[in-house]
Amino acid sequence: AQKITQTQPGMFVQEKEAVTLDCTYDTSDQSYGLFWYKQPSSGEMIFLIYQGSYDEQNATEGRYSLNFQKARKSANLVISASQLGDSAMYFCAMREGNRDDKIIFGKGTRLHILP
Amino acid sequence: DTEVTQTPKHLVMGMTNKKSLKCEQHMGHRAMYWYKQKAKKPPELMFVYSYEKLSINESVPSRFSPECPNSSLLNLHLHALQPEDSALYLCASSRRRTSGAVYEQYFGPGTRLTVT
Repeated sequence: AQKITQTQPGMFVQEKEAVTLDCTYDTSDQSYGLFWYKQPSSGEMIFLIYQGSYDEQNATEGRYSLNFQKARKSANLVISASQLGDSAMYFCAMREGNRDDKIIFGKGTRLHILP
Repeated sequence: DTEVTQTPKHLVMGMTNKKSLKCEQHMGHRAMYWYKQKAKKPPELMFVYSYEKLSINESVPSRFSPECPNSSLLNLHLHALQPEDSALYLCASSRRRTSGAVYEQYFGPGTRLTVT
């Protein structure tokens, strides 16, 4: 069964607008972590933000915030004031706390920022 | 410093060649990973090393041989590869998972491998 679901294969957003990238997950563990990574065309996976399952506050890192809704098993990434440099593939990922050192990635969302 | 370095950036090899990919980190991370990524797909885990010992092998063919000589270095030895092995190979590192704690992985820029 798919553990990380990203339902938006591609998105087009006007520069300076906010954008929400969707991610839902499935786990029976109480302890887990959720991540978002950005992958520009150059190939490097850039860590953006992390949310722990026990964290009560939504994580924020600069223009990135994670809208964590635990009951709905949802961990959407919000990018405020999008920039042309935000054009990239974005992966949602999960690491289950009681399992091996594995990250499970979603299929990704390709974000295009339009000038 | 959250840098993971990988060499070479690009590699073209024939099916009879032997080559190696190298990954290095100086963050004191004790877990290191190799991933394979095909175009427009998410990374697929290949191997995990924890405290320099192989802890996960995701049923990778034996033509890929990982090695962790020390806590900062991770190699991937390649031999008799097939054209379908052409992909981006990513290395990552993280703090070692402890009970209940979950840590992010930091990735290198990858090696783009082409097998001819």
